[in-house]
Amino acid sequence: DVQLVESGGALVQPGGSLRLSCAASGFTVSDTYMSWLRQAPGKGLEWVSVIYAGGSTYYADFVKGRFTISRDNSKNTLSLQMNRLVIEDTAVYYCAKDRLSGGLFDYWGQGTLVTVSS
Amino acid sequence: DIVMTQSPESLAVSLGERATINCKSGRSLLYSSNNKNYLAWYQQKPGQSPKLLIYWASSRESGVPDRFSGSGSGTDFTLTISSLQAEDVAIYYCQQYYSTPPWTFGQGTKVEI
Repeated sequence: DVQLVESGGALVQPGGSLRLSCAASGFTVSDTYMSWLRQAPGKGLEWVSVIYAGGSTYYADFVKGRFTISRDNSKNTLSLQMNRLVIEDTAVYYCAKDRLSGGLFDYWGQGTLVTVSS
Repeated sequence: DIVMTQSPESLAVSLGERATINCKSGRSLLYSSNNKNYLAWYQQKPGQSPKLLIYWASSRESGVPDRFSGSGSGTDFTLTISSLQAEDVAIYYCQQYYSTPPWTFGQGTKVEI
């Protein structure tokens, strides 16, 4: 069975950094697109970043230059390095598997909470 | 970016009655080469992660009850719950996956009893 388990969420001060991880099982992360999405408290869903099977990466404008997505094929994990965090980055962050390699998210993790506050 | 607009923001439906949620995209999601609409619907129950319900605008995900159906084409789409059950209380999101990222969501519709 496909399973995604995020970790790394924490309380961090504005301007700080944090690294999120997503452990995958039941499939190989390098065989498909993998995305990070987020949901601010009481708000809707936002796509954040994707890494393609071939390794190309894309980011939403609001995180471009601050966040970096990567994967570790040997560990079958996905990561999100978040730098220069701002209060508006406060959200539950989900990793998600892409079915079509084109933005259709068929499996989601349980999410990890990132709180940016002084 | 493709803007997705859902309506209504919330609705209350009696058990066994029909619930209808609308989603409008800022550009056509119909890809002419394969005649597919790149539109999905997700369900998010309280305290849970989103779950894929419908893709290609009208294809039901495996295991999703047949009371859920999707329709529409181009820029206008609808999610219908034909006979609302208590376990259907959730927020429903439409999402476009047309072309390259960013992939965008509607703001969500809260369905209550």
